[in-house]
Amino acid sequence: KNQVEQSPQSLIILEGKNCTLQCNYTVSPFSNLRWYKQDTGRGPVSLTIMTFSENTKSNGRYTATLDADTKQSSLHITASQLSDSASYICVVTEFSGGYNKLIFGAGTRLAVHP
Amino acid sequence: NAGVTQTPKFRVLKTGQSMTLLCAQDMNHEYMYWYRQDPGMGLRLIHYSVGEGTTAKGEVPDGYNVSRLKKQNFLLGLESAAPSQTSVYFCASRISEGRNEQFFGPGTRLTVL
Repeated sequence: KNQVEQSPQSLIILEGKNCTLQCNYTVSPFSNLRWYKQDTGRGPVSLTIMTFSENTKSNGRYTATLDADTKQSSLHITASQLSDSASYICVVTEFSGGYNKLIFGAGTRLAVHP
Repeated sequence: NAGVTQTPKFRVLKTGQSMTLLCAQDMNHEYMYWYRQDPGMGLRLIHYSVGEGTTAKGEVPDGYNVSRLKKQNFLLGLESAAPSQTSVYFCASRISEGRNEQFFGPGTRLTVL
């Protein structure tokens, strides 16, 4: 069964520190991988998207990496801010020809404390 | 541009009651989706639509029906609500398949007693 596993489930860091969130997947065939940020009480918002040929993508203080061989991705947040407190969701697209199915991880809940 | 909007934001139902959740998008997107989000789980696809007048089942369609009579609206109906349908429901849309981003609405928190 195609799955997306994220770790850790939750994380607390101090403002200004860096952190890395992990995503492992077993989805095949693979089309692309996205990272979303979901603020409490809001819908997810896309941060980055990568295909199998891209191994890094940045969006401001967010940098995503992808290793398509080991089926692992990470999201690195630099110089964290209080506004980074949110859930971060890894989403892998399964390429099925007729319809590309999105498979969502359960998310990592990040809390940034002053 | 309001993006994707959802109505209502919150709702409490009794078991057996019915209701309709409304999703509207003003981006002229072809594809629209309904998801549910439960604690400790990833978003799961309920139904989706690839264009006006079309609907298709997703991963967890039982107990739900949908309609896409107008391109900008996607309705999710619960004919006889059950406690297992207590969840946060998200609507999303995107312009087409491929790399195009899905844009999500703010969600509807539904509690079934």
